[in-house]
Amino acid sequence: EVVLTQSPGTLSLSPGVSATLSCRTSQTVNSDHLGWYQQKPGQAPRLLIYSTFHRPAGISDRFSGSGSGTDFSLTISRLEPEDFAVYYCQLFGSSPLFSFGPGTKVDIK
Amino acid sequence: HVQLQESGPGLVKPSETLSLTCSVSGDSISSYCWSWIRQAPGKGLEWIGHRHCSGRNDYNPSLKGRVTVSIDTSKSLFSLRLSSVTAADTAMYYCASYNIAAAGTVFDYWGQGIPVTVAS
Repeated sequence: EVVLTQSPGTLSLSPGVSATLSCRTSQTVNSDHLGWYQQKPGQAPRLLIYSTFHRPAGISDRFSGSGSGTDFSLTISRLEPEDFAVYYCQLFGSSPLFSFGPGTKVDIK
Repeated sequence: HVQLQESGPGLVKPSETLSLTCSVSGDSISSYCWSWIRQAPGKGLEWIGHRHCSGRNDYNPSLKGRVTVSIDTSKSLFSLRLSSVTAADTAMYYCASYNIAAAGTVFDYWGQGIPVTVAS
């Protein structure tokens, strides 16, 4: 079983600055199977990043992903008011087959 | 693009079976792989189980054999059955899809979710 750990738990930032969120896995994983989601209150999660650094159509280029091995990151450049939300990383291929990190909440300072 | 809509009872009694359905529109249900994911109040996301595009089902071992997922391609429906429910199964339940040929093993489409409470 691969455990996903996200840090920090909460990130308090002002609009306009950048945010870097971390997702660490307990074992080396295939970076093709690492994604990131954004979830706002009362909404379903929205896919932001797949295969570590690819953005789906319609996702702002202010969101970027990076990493390999056991360390992965999501960077949000120039935070806008609509970016304040909870962010989850997700992995495929371990047990359970799909797993999510505990989330990082980005809130307004 | 594909649209997903969950439906089912919002209240289930302890020890009974929770049954939910996800109605798929906008594209062929056969073009995607399908999962159920839940989120307890104030908590994170938990994968429940899936129907792989190959037809294989896989489940979260933590649910200890209580889960069954199925698909009805003629009706474009993806279903979940969770037996012997307890208060710990109270959550928002989402259906979600992934497309191996597109974004791969991530969920690119989600339903709006359906809240389910387990209580007598």
